[in-house]
Formats: sequence, C-alpha cells, structure tokens
Amino acid sequence: QSVLTQPPSASGTPGQRVTISCSGSSSNTGSKTVNWYQQLPGTAPKLLIYSNNQRPSGVPDRFSGSKSGTSASLAISGLQFEDEADYYCAAWDDSLNGLYVFGAGTKVTVL
Amino acid sequence: QVQLVESGGGLVKPGGSLRLSCAASGFTFSDYYMSWIRQAPGKGLEWVSYISTSGSTIYYADSVKGRFTISRDNAKNSLYLQMNSLRAEDTAVYYCARVQHSGPDYWGRGTLVTVSS
Repeated sequence: QSVLTQPPSASGTPGQRVTISCSGSSSNTGSKTVNWYQQLPGTAPKLLIYSNNQRPSGVPDRFSGSKSGTSASLAISGLQFEDEADYYCAAWDDSLNGLYVFGAGTKVTVL
Repeated sequence: QVQLVESGGGLVKPGGSLRLSCAASGFTFSDYYMSWIRQAPGKGLEWVSYISTSGSTIYYADSVKGRFTISRDNAKNSLYLQMNSLRAEDTAVYYCARVQHSGPDYWGRGTLVTVSS
C-alpha cells in the first residue's frame, strides 16, 4: 500500500483536460514539495513536474502541477494520444528516515 | 547530456547475491546524491536507497535494510548496489537516479533482476 494516494486510472478524449490527484500527509506532501513522473510503456520514468509546479526544460506547458495542503494535482490540458502513460506523484517523507515515497500511479488512457 | 547506464542485472537463485552498477556521465557526479529505485513487474515505484555525495550519509528502505549496500566511486563516476540474501520479492527493474533537493530528476533505463529457482 502506497504512502501517497492516487486514483488508479483516468481517461479523456484528445483535446480534453485530465486531472490526477495525489493525497498524502503532514510528513510528506503537507511539508515537502511534490514531483510528478511520467512513465511511457516500456520506458523509464521521466521527471514531468518538480517542486509542485515547475516544468523541466522540454516538458510541454500542457502539463501543470499544483499543491494545496496535503494534496497535489497534475493537470494535462489538450490531451494527446502520446500522453497515454502511467503518472506517479512523489515526495520526501519526514517520518520515514530519509525515504522518498511514491504514489501507486495513475494510468491515463486517451480514448 | 546526463546519462545513467545500469548494468549487472540477471537471474539469480533465492539467497544469492548480485552487484549492480550505474555509470554516470554528462554531469559532475561527485556533486550529486544518487539513488536506486526499483519497480516490480507490473507494479509501481519503490525507493530502495540513496547515498550522499561523499558516501557519508546513506538511507535504505526497510525492505532491503541489512541485505543491500549502496556505494559510490566518484573517481569512476559510478554508483553500486550490492544485493545479498536475495528474495523472490526483490525481482524488479532497478533504476539508478540522480537526486536533486526536490527528488530524483534523471533516471537510467534500468536493469532487470530476477530472483527465481
């Protein structure tokens, strides 16, 4: 069972906006910044959003992140077929002796 | 550009050992914390261990504590994971990742470890 809670799946049609939630606690998302990772089928995870809402160079601005309290969210606007992937939220956790915790992942399907 | 290339994975029997390596390039290796993260087949991501720039600070997930040892050689730009007393539940793709203040940023492609008799 993951420390951070994400919905197992989300879907949308091309062009739609999809939002993925990530819920944690005061020891992780409540006090630490949140990263989001995208894992395309058969590939390694890639950093999509860091420090709650920052995009690394090369990540399209269709992807955006936000955080409020102990919850974070990832939004994909203008959904494209190439966005079909697993998305993971993650954060450091103060209560787990230096460990970095992940959500279980959300499978995004483009219909 | 940043490159991380893992090696050393393979098939090993329960109770056996394996040593993973990660060759880093494209950045000043000695300036960054480094980590190992694994993903069991069809499952999510699990943080395994990380090591500070000098190797003086090390953390392990409870699931591997006492069995796995992380180390690094800054002169060789390399990260290692010595895995002993392997169990079936250690079967996973093991990723090497560079660690920033906010968390891992660059990841390698991973190396598959299969523990089976």
